[in-house]
Amino acid sequence: NAGVTQTPKFQVLKTGQSMTLQCAQDMNHEYMSWYRQDPGMGLRLIHYSVGAGITDQGEVPNGYNVSRSTTEDFPLRLLSAAPSQTSVYFCASSTPQGIGEQYFGPGTRLTVT
Amino acid sequence: ILNVEQSPQSLHVQEGDSTNFTCSFPSSNFYALHWYRWETAKSPEALFVMTLNGDEKKKGRISATLNTKEGYSYLYIKGSQPEDSATYLCALPGGSSNTGKLIFGQGTTLQVKP
Repeated sequence: NAGVTQTPKFQVLKTGQSMTLQCAQDMNHEYMSWYRQDPGMGLRLIHYSVGAGITDQGEVPNGYNVSRSTTEDFPLRLLSAAPSQTSVYFCASSTPQGIGEQYFGPGTRLTVT
Repeated sequence: ILNVEQSPQSLHVQEGDSTNFTCSFPSSNFYALHWYRWETAKSPEALFVMTLNGDEKKKGRISATLNTKEGYSYLYIKGSQPEDSATYLCALPGGSSNTGKLIFGQGTTLQVKP
């Protein structure tokens, strides 16, 4: 099993450009989430999904869109990149069974200039 | 929004020192508390998930305790080693059950000097 995979690992964007961060998992987990990590702020939840076709907003959703058409994939779209979106982005997955331990991908480091 | 606080924000210790840090959270509607270790250039990995008041968990030299009545958890590292250098994150579900949504504290960054 590859677990949770994310692409790309690094990306540089210009202000106003759009892009999609990819996330996939092969563990058949129903739950998937996107977090951003900024210095001194831990991980902040952007959007999450409890299953295909169902998404909801987290703590910091503005400027980001998500969709979940399959159990495996949960892409994060930046509509018009801003320097404030420079961050490290982590995708995670978990299962509704048990107590919700999350499995994280390797992260995408995004710089917006 | 659930408020999860961790202290201290950073800690520098010498190899062999024992150390501990705190995660504080609202005690009402408690469901579970997660501890994750996040090493530089890697992904966060789960250390413990705790659910019961008075729970104690241990993994090698790392242990954690939970007090849900007063809303805190302690993480202890006995005899710190350089490989323990990492950011330790605690998190709680953003609801009263397993919703796939975690709210994290700011983290405690531990640096262990050889």
